[in-house]
Amino acid sequence: KQEVTQIPAALSVPEGENLVLNCSFTDSAIYNLQWFRQDPGKGLTSLLLIQSSQREQTSGRLNASLDKSSGRSTLYIAASQPGDSATYLCAVWWRSGNTPLVFGKGTRLSVIA
Amino acid sequence: GAVVSQHPSRVICKSGTSVKIECRSLDFQATTMFWYRQFPKQSLMLMATSNEGSKATYEQGVEKDKFLINHASLTLSTLTVTSAHPEDSSFYICSVPLAGGSDTQYFGPGTRLTVL
Repeated sequence: KQEVTQIPAALSVPEGENLVLNCSFTDSAIYNLQWFRQDPGKGLTSLLLIQSSQREQTSGRLNASLDKSSGRSTLYIAASQPGDSATYLCAVWWRSGNTPLVFGKGTRLSVIA
Repeated sequence: GAVVSQHPSRVICKSGTSVKIECRSLDFQATTMFWYRQFPKQSLMLMATSNEGSKATYEQGVEKDKFLINHASLTLSTLTVTSAHPEDSSFYICSVPLAGGSDTQYFGPGTRLTVL
């Protein structure tokens, strides 16, 4: 069964700290991996999409890496801010674009001012 | 602006009533739409795949007679929760893949259903 796991489930850090969120997946034959942000009671905001042929993607203070052979991805957030507080979801596509994503349970991040 | 809309954004209803949720693709046609459900502090779980012009395909454990899906046009899919009960209270969200098998899927803003 294709599953996505995220560790930790929750994380609380002081403002300014750099942090890493982890995502692991069964079946390394993925198509793409995508990181989302979800604010409480809200929908999804796409952060970064890594294609299977790529090793990392960067956007501003965010950097996502992908290691297919080990079945892992990390989301690195530099210089965290209170506005980064949200739930971060990792999702995997195991086949090409017209297929659903499989989501992890997310990491709930709190950045304390 | 929004590429995919959902209506309503929030609904509260009494147990036993039916609730219809709309997912609209605003900028492009979609032969396929996905419906997900998210219980509190849980992840999004795929419920069903909505196919324009044909029957929806449901994931294991999702009752097709309870969650009716109608994909009547290339821009609209509706999910009807029939005879809703408190355990159906959840966040329902749709996604629309961009045609042509590209790597882009657009998610709707979601619908929060609360059944009293």
